[in-house]
Amino acid sequence: AQKITQTQPGMFVQEKEAVTLDCTYDTSDPSYGLFWYKQPSSGEMIFLIYQGSYDQQNATEGRYSLNFQKARKSANLVISASQLGDSAMYFCAMRHLYNNNDMRFGAGTRLTVKP
Amino acid sequence: DVKVTQSSRYLVKRTGEKVFLECVQDMDHENMFWYRQDPGLGLRLIYFSYDVKMKEKGDIPEGYSVSREKKERFSLILESASTNQTSMYLCASWDSWNTEAFFGQGTRLTVV
Repeated sequence: AQKITQTQPGMFVQEKEAVTLDCTYDTSDPSYGLFWYKQPSSGEMIFLIYQGSYDQQNATEGRYSLNFQKARKSANLVISASQLGDSAMYFCAMRHLYNNNDMRFGAGTRLTVKP
Repeated sequence: DVKVTQSSRYLVKRTGEKVFLECVQDMDHENMFWYRQDPGLGLRLIYFSYDVKMKEKGDIPEGYSVSREKKERFSLILESASTNQTSMYLCASWDSWNTEAFFGQGTRLTVV
């Protein structure tokens, strides 16, 4: 089964600064997608950004960008201009696109934005 | 515009009880999933289903079973609840060709 690793249990960032949340993955399948989800204290899972393994460019969605380094099997999330509302748990996930459609998640990183 | 609905937000059950967690989606998705979320462990896959009456074991199926009699409904069953099954349970669904997964609001189950 695929493995997703998030090595930062907790991160702090000053408001308006950028922060990078790390994610590495392990798979032998060439066709996969990488996801980042945000989970605020309310518990809902909010989809942030998606990167396909064949995508040539790094995905961006507003203040979120995904730093995809395929050879290193890393998919770090970059949040620019942090806001207080960005304080939450962040999960990295991977899903194979054709063989098995199940999604696996990392352990998560708790981000705290300081005013 | 509710898309994935879990039957209970909070649930307290006694050890040994049979527990049913229900999940309904209104997006006609083939794929439905049950995860449990524990601090420091992230979301771990319990069971999933690609189609009606089909089920596949995830990473931690022990002590659980599932039922999918209709496309829109996926039930997680704790045959005999134990205290180590106290957790947050999340249901999700997605279309095979859609990148986004949709999650329910979660059920926080406490087994006493």
